[in-house]
Amino acid sequence: GAGVSQSPSNKVTEKGKDVELRCDPISGHTALYWYRQSLGQGLEFLIYFQGNSAPDKSGLPSDRFSAERTGGSVSTLTIQRTQQEDSAVYLCASSFGTGVYEQYFGPGTRLTVT
Amino acid sequence: GNSVTQMEGPVTLSEEAFLTINCTYTATGYPSLFWYVQYPGEGLQLLLKATKADDKGSNKGFEATYRKETTSFHLEKGSVQVSDSAVYFCALKEDDKIIFGKGTRLHILP
Repeated sequence: GAGVSQSPSNKVTEKGKDVELRCDPISGHTALYWYRQSLGQGLEFLIYFQGNSAPDKSGLPSDRFSAERTGGSVSTLTIQRTQQEDSAVYLCASSFGTGVYEQYFGPGTRLTVT
Repeated sequence: GNSVTQMEGPVTLSEEAFLTINCTYTATGYPSLFWYVQYPGEGLQLLLKATKADDKGSNKGFEATYRKETTSFHLEKGSVQVSDSAVYFCALKEDDKIIFGKGTRLHILP
């Protein structure tokens, strides 16, 4: 079956612009996670959703970052007024539920801020 | 907070060599532990896991044992192949999020 998909696969933007990154989870998966992979910081948790609610937003690095999920499916991560330090690969994962269920990762969106 | 420390790479081995990638963790309680692998050009995927002390996770010839006395989860493989070249991440589950180590890049030479 289809895995987690993310779009775009690559995004180049100018400093100060806003960007939106999209994640389509595996059908039927109620939990959705966002992580960021950067050279300096490695792989970091950003936020997760159970349904449309975000119980844990503790990893969002600043108030320029926000995410939403609608219909218990697609999620969008928005970065406002992008900075060069936002350059990273943004990974999305989904799982059947929280707790013991395995998280399945998408291919990521590579964001470059120039 | 919880954290994971793994050996820095890159690690370069010849085919059929024995592999160990060290991983230690700091955590309250006994979290589930994981090894993830990222092959070139591919997404992150779960390699193996262990959910309680003394459990051994295994997959594709790789093994790791959950050692609470040493807070370790070292990854081992008896005979590596060129196709094992990838980046390996040790990780633990904290509530519903995964805390990752920095990753170890492994190169296997034919």
